[in-house]
Amino acid sequence: RKEVEQDPGPFNVPEGATVAFNCTYSNSASQSFFWYRQDCRKEPKLLMSVYSSGNEDGRFTAQLNRASQYISLLIRDSKLSDSATYLCAVNMFGRDDKIIFGKGTRLHILP
Amino acid sequence: DVKVTQSSRYLVKRTGEKVFLECVQDMDHENMFWYRQDPGLGLRLIYFSYDVKMKEKGDIPEGYSVSREKKERFSLILESASTNQTSMYLCASSLGGLGGYTFGSGTRLTVV
Repeated sequence: RKEVEQDPGPFNVPEGATVAFNCTYSNSASQSFFWYRQDCRKEPKLLMSVYSSGNEDGRFTAQLNRASQYISLLIRDSKLSDSATYLCAVNMFGRDDKIIFGKGTRLHILP
Repeated sequence: DVKVTQSSRYLVKRTGEKVFLECVQDMDHENMFWYRQDPGLGLRLIYFSYDVKMKEKGDIPEGYSVSREKKERFSLILESASTNQTSMYLCASSLGGLGGYTFGSGTRLTVV
């Protein structure tokens, strides 16, 4: 099993729809979880940290399921500007400072 | 906001040249990282450093070295550039914990 795995997509979603991505991780000792957004030919930027209790930031909701070892990102009322690649990132081996990134899920919001 | 600055946005070098990629962060972060990103392969960790003069190999260190003489600066060195090192190189820094990484804007290196 790969350390951090994501569906590469692309997800083609009409504007205004709700879309959700999952990301699975292999190390049950992992402690920190993140979602990054990366626009074409740009650097990844931190979108959200994912807390055990889940967290919400506007239209974005992140959840952690430790039992099944996955994190999720839900985007409500999607906008054209949400089109990007979404990378999940997981701290491996219980050490906060070394993060393993998934390869990303591409999202295209269609007008 | 933390700022991570990479010295060049685009770079073209010849095979066999020694290449220096510079990265500077302005928030006193202990931890700094170098990644390369290629289509279909995602982000791959080359080297990282948790302190001045300290370095650790990542997943793909072959053909690279690093230098961390000052806390704010982490340099990636391609000893003898080869065409398979054509890639996007991304530097990142972090405080640790739940803060995640902050990335520089990247250097797109082409080796010809």
